[in-house]
Amino acid sequence: KNEVEQSPQNLTAQEGEFITINCSYSVGISALHWLQQHPGGGIVSLFMLSSGKKKHGRLIATINIQEKHSSLHITASHPRDSAVYICAVRSYTGNQFYFGTGTSLTVIP
Amino acid sequence: KAGVTQTPRYLIKTRGQQVTLSCSPISGHRSVSWYQQTPGQGLQFLFEYFSETQRNKGNFPGRFSGRQFSNSRSEMNVSTLELGDSALYLCASSQETVTEAFFGQGTRLTVV
Repeated sequence: KNEVEQSPQNLTAQEGEFITINCSYSVGISALHWLQQHPGGGIVSLFMLSSGKKKHGRLIATINIQEKHSSLHITASHPRDSAVYICAVRSYTGNQFYFGTGTSLTVIP
Repeated sequence: KAGVTQTPRYLIKTRGQQVTLSCSPISGHRSVSWYQQTPGQGLQFLFEYFSETQRNKGNFPGRFSGRQFSNSRSEMNVSTLELGDSALYLCASSQETVTEAFFGQGTRLTVV
């Protein structure tokens, strides 16, 4: 059983579209991260959330602690947003990360 | 402020050999954690070090070990390499375990 479930696994969008990636988790957490990984590249942490909502440019991340659910939104998507987006939760008790399997996003010009 | 630095970036080793990977955290960060990323298994937690002590360990065999030095730099060692150890190895650092983590670019290990 995966502690973190992401959907969708793959997503193709036209440039300019609004995109939503979802993450559900089953463990108690101290924080949730949204990570971005470009092909062949390392990982960049986009957001760390423990409650509410954060916005950074065209990216918005929300978390509902009671429902154990988070969403990552990309407004006005652009081809440079094409990457794998990974949801990671830091367990409250174990001080370790659990990862989703990632959402592969392709934005077509 | 320099980011998390992992060395080397790429490595090719032969089955049966051992390998040591290095991670230099952001200055002031005391927590360093290590992860393995493979196409089949995705990202998996290896272990976490805080102030030179291993605080948590994932479900990996004893061939995988690590340590942290007094300057918070961490090394990960894999002995008796197997083909299945081919992966991207990532480390992340944070000031404390509950603060934001920053990831390195990773070391891509290929075992032939």
